[in-house]
Amino acid sequence: DTEVTQTPKHLVMGMTNKKSLKCEQHMGHRAMYWYKQKAKKPPELMFVYSYEKLSINESVPSRFSPECPNSSLLNLHLHALQPEDSALYLCASSQAFTVYEQYFGPGTRLTVT
Amino acid sequence: QKEVEQNSGPLSVPEGAIASLNCTYSDRGSQSFFWYRQYSGKSPELIMSIYSNGDKEDGRFTAQLNKASQYVSLLIRDSQPSDSATYLCAVKETSGSRLTFGEGTQLTVNP
Repeated sequence: DTEVTQTPKHLVMGMTNKKSLKCEQHMGHRAMYWYKQKAKKPPELMFVYSYEKLSINESVPSRFSPECPNSSLLNLHLHALQPEDSALYLCASSQAFTVYEQYFGPGTRLTVT
Repeated sequence: QKEVEQNSGPLSVPEGAIASLNCTYSDRGSQSFFWYRQYSGKSPELIMSIYSNGDKEDGRFTAQLNKASQYVSLLIRDSQPSDSATYLCAVKETSGSRLTFGEGTQLTVNP
C-alpha cells in the first residue's frame, strides 16, 4: 500500500486567514516532504522531515510553517499568504531520506484571494 | 543552466505505437533516476526507478539508463489513450537526497 492522503482537497483562503494542510501516511515511512507545484511546472521542494525532524527548508517564506507531530503526520500551516502562493501543494513520503523513491499524495489545490 | 532536461514536447503518437521520452542530466555523479506520470489536475505517480546502466522493464514500460552519456529514457510500448499525461524525469542529486525534476514532457496518445 503506497498511499499518502492529504486534506483538504481544495482550499480557498483570504490573505489574512490562517489555515492548515494535513498529510498522513501509514507505510512506516520516516521521511516526509512538502512540495509546491504551479501549473505546467515540476514540483518544487519546500521542506523535508526526516525522523520527525526538519532536515531541509528550501528558504521558504515564514508564512509557510511546517510541523511533524509524529512519524505518520505532516502539517503545513499557512498565514498571510499572497495570491502568488496559489498552487497545488503536494505531500510525499519515502522509507527514509536516503531512500529515494518518493510517493506523492493527491495534493491540496490552494487558491489565495 | 538546467540540471535535468527533457524533450520539450508535446509528443503525440498513435494508439499502439511506441512513445519515447528522453531525459539528460548534468550531474555526472547521479546514481538514481525516476519517471513520474502526472495526469492533468492530479499528483505525480511513480512509475519507474532505475539505478544501473541498461534497461529495466515493467509491463509496457522500459526505462533505459546510460550514465556515460548522462541520458535516461522511458519507452512506452503499445501506447494507449490512457497513457496521455505529462511524464516527469527526476534525478537524485549527488550531494544530499533532493530530487531534481525536469520540466516534463506532455504525451498525447491518439485513438
